[in-house]
Amino acid sequence: ILNVEQSPQSLHVQEGDSTNFTCSFPSSNFYALHWYRWETAKSPEALFVMTLNGDEKKKGRISATLNTKEGYSYLYIKGSQPEDSATYLCAFSVTGGYNKLIFGAGTRLAVHP
Amino acid sequence: KAGVTQTPRYLIKTRGQQVTLSCSPISGHRSVSWYQQTPGQGLQFLFEYFSETQRNKGNFPGRFSGRQFSNSRSEMNVSTLELGDSALYLCASSSGTGRNDGAETQYFGPGTRLLVL
Repeated sequence: ILNVEQSPQSLHVQEGDSTNFTCSFPSSNFYALHWYRWETAKSPEALFVMTLNGDEKKKGRISATLNTKEGYSYLYIKGSQPEDSATYLCAFSVTGGYNKLIFGAGTRLAVHP
Repeated sequence: KAGVTQTPRYLIKTRGQQVTLSCSPISGHRSVSWYQQTPGQGLQFLFEYFSETQRNKGNFPGRFSGRQFSNSRSEMNVSTLELGDSALYLCASSSGTGRNDGAETQYFGPGTRLLVL
């Protein structure tokens, strides 16, 4: 059974705090790891796609790393702002799975002013 | 470019009825995937269509079906609705070049929220 675990389930931080989330996935047949941000009443928004072990991606204050050998990825947010409040989803695809993504349950982040 | 659109946005049906949801991908995108989100569950993959062919299917009963048209628009159909089918249904499109499937960015629509009474 292919399963993605995300932790923590939810997080409350103060504006300006830095935070990070974890995504664990099976390392066998791994193809790519995706991170999405999903704000209430909006569509999930793609943040990063990573494929190679050791990959690091950055977009403004948000960055992500990937370890395919041990099957985990970290998402970091530096200096959280209230507009970062959202659910952060990770998903992975497997070799030969085409565009099928297997999602974790997400980490719900609330940033308080 | 216009984003992914889904119609209708909200739908109320009763048990036993059937429903058809529509998804228009980003212009030029050839791959369309469908996902279901129920309360307390993450997004669950339903199926993916590419060039009018179903390439992959999730673990859902045969009541869930879909198709894709030559213009890449896709529909999904749920027959004999059950209460448990109440969910948010999202579709996502990607370019579907065939060279990097699985590592392509997928762009999601706003979803159709289905309530089965």
